[in-house]
Amino acid sequence: AQKITQTQPGMFVQEKEAVTLDCTYDTSDQSYGLFWYKQPSSGEMIFLIYQGSYDEQNATEGRYSLNFQKARKSANLVISASQLGDSAMYFCAMREDSFQKLVFGTGTRLLVSP
Amino acid sequence: GAVVSQHPSWVICKSGTSVKIECRSLDFQATTMFWYRQFPKQSLMLMATSNEGSKATYEQGVEKDKFLINHASLTLSTLTVTSAHPEDSSFYICSARAAGSQFLDTQYFGPGTRLTVL
Repeated sequence: AQKITQTQPGMFVQEKEAVTLDCTYDTSDQSYGLFWYKQPSSGEMIFLIYQGSYDEQNATEGRYSLNFQKARKSANLVISASQLGDSAMYFCAMREDSFQKLVFGTGTRLLVSP
Repeated sequence: GAVVSQHPSWVICKSGTSVKIECRSLDFQATTMFWYRQFPKQSLMLMATSNEGSKATYEQGVEKDKFLINHASLTLSTLTVTSAHPEDSSFYICSARAAGSQFLDTQYFGPGTRLTVL
């Protein structure tokens, strides 16, 4: 079974609008962490935001927020006020305490249009 | 934020030669470094986990004799692709986890190395 599922291969959004990138995960661990990374065409993986399984508040980092719904095992990334520079691949990842390594989803390509 | 560098950023080599890729954590000590491989339009696949001063742990299906990993210091890990063949052409990315950050476990990634084997 896939540990991390990103069902949107591609998303389009207009500049200044908000967009939600979906991510669901599968784990039997009680303690785990969820991450979002951005990969522009240059290839570098840029850390965006982290959510711990015991965190009660949704994580926020500037224009990025993570909509964490533990019961549904989803960790969607919300980007507010999209900018042209947000166009990139976005990967959701999970680290389970029992495995201590990141497992990545297949990614979502976001295209922001003027 | 934490900075990780990789060198070289790209390399082209002939089939049968060996290529070494360096991964350095520039402003923090990394007890653990990871090596990933990414094929075009695909996700990152973990190849191996490298702990400073000990042997690397390879993922299933990754040939340890072909992909030699050395983590000799808290700021440097190297990946050597031995006797490279065209099917080894890929984008190789390293990441580093800062010492003392086990709970948060944020991995900081290098910019990647694009290897092309002719």
